Amino acid sequence: DTGVSQDPRHKITKRGQNVTFRCDPISEHNRLYWYRQTLGQGPEFLTYFQNEAQLEKSRLLSDRFSAERPKGSFSTLEIQRTEQGDSAMYLCASTGRRTNYGYTFGSGTRLTVV
Amino acid sequence: QKEVEQDPGPLSVPEGAIVSLNCTYSNSAFQYFMWYRQYSRKGPELLMYTYSSGNKEDGRFTAQVDKSSKYISLFIRDSQPSDSATYLCAMTGGSYIPTFGRGTSLIVHP
Repeated sequence: DTGVSQDPRHKITKRGQNVTFRCDPISEHNRLYWYRQTLGQGPEFLTYFQNEAQLEKSRLLSDRFSAERPKGSFSTLEIQRTEQGDSAMYLCASTGRRTNYGYTFGSGTRLTVV
Repeated sequence: QKEVEQDPGPLSVPEGAIVSLNCTYSNSAFQYFMWYRQYSRKGPELLMYTYSSGNKEDGRFTAQVDKSSKYISLFIRDSQPSDSATYLCAMTGGSYIPTFGRGTSLIVHP
């Protein structure tokens, strides 16, 4: 297993377009998280799945954001009608019963909205 | 006031120095404490995690938690230029959702 994979690494989009990011967690990990990070700040929690169930969403997650984790494997994060303020690094992390509080992050998807 | 406070730095030290990085927090429910290293334009890399108060050592890194003061530290011994990065503390209670500090930028110069 090569860790948490995120795709694409970079995305440039025009304001108003929709974008979708994908995260493939470590295979035995049942918990998957999405975070957003802007320059000079720490990661901010967006949402979290345990298996296929979305258990928590941040107030930061407006109705333009939606996340799924079908069958409890990979996850997608979609942003509709992107705004310039959505420009950030979107990070995915996963952990499982054995690693518990050892969350492993992917390399992130850097979104630029022009 | 943020739940987790961390001085952004930068902290500049000479090679071989002992580095001390710190975070304070306000939520007494936090029980699990993590330190991550993040290089520019990369995802955070887990260094260590600890439960409750006390010390934990892993190679050149020592994590220290003082729950009574709501204060955690990461010490790096014999610092190297390759340690230059941003160090993020994170913590959680029973929610399984880590809350991060903003990170401290560390520069180790030869």
